[in-house]
Amino acid sequence: KAGVTQTPRYLIKTRGQQVTLSCSPISGHRSVSWYQQTPGQGLQFLFEYFSETQRNKGNFPGRFSGRQFSNSRSEMNVSTLELGDSALYLCASSWDGYVGTDTQYFGPGTRLTVL
Amino acid sequence: AQSVTQPDIHITVSEGASLELRCNYSYGATPYLFWYVQSPGQGLQLLLKYFSGDTLVQGIKGFEAEFKRSQSSFNLRKPSVHWSDAAEYFCAVGAGSNYQLIWGAGTKLIIKP
Repeated sequence: KAGVTQTPRYLIKTRGQQVTLSCSPISGHRSVSWYQQTPGQGLQFLFEYFSETQRNKGNFPGRFSGRQFSNSRSEMNVSTLELGDSALYLCASSWDGYVGTDTQYFGPGTRLTVL
Repeated sequence: AQSVTQPDIHITVSEGASLELRCNYSYGATPYLFWYVQSPGQGLQLLLKYFSGDTLVQGIKGFEAEFKRSQSSFNLRKPSVHWSDAAEYFCAVGAGSNYQLIWGAGTKLIIKP
């Protein structure tokens, strides 16, 4: 069974631009979560989607958005990039997203550098 | 608010020696607790998880963790480390609606030959 895939693996953008990251979950998984990882803030939850609906959102500005398609693939978008958005963006998929009974499987991440 | 503390940023251990990585959590109810490992340039891999029941949990790669409610701790242990265990280890708690994980800052494990 293929794992979680994220594209692209690396991105370089300049301030003010926007970026779209993509995540393909494990086949059959309907929940996709996104996390931002930085040396200073560590791992922080961005949002979680289930069956094309955002169920949970972390404490990030509105510049960060996402969506999920009917095939469970998900994209996240960051508009008006800032230097502080440089990070590793991790996507995780699971069957139903409930961490009490389910396991989140992570992709390798997309390394975003904002210049 | 829920939080996870990993007090050690770095730990250096000789190959073959035992390992204990500390994790303390703050959570009002019975927590769901996790340990993940991240190798350089890689995503996160689940080592083990605690939901309920037996407080000693066995995971992959020879790791185990013990849940101690009285100490709000979930420490990760391995009796004998291998050079391939060098990585960063993250403790996490299932929080809020339990659709998200709250993470510790991570502990980087360095193995001395």
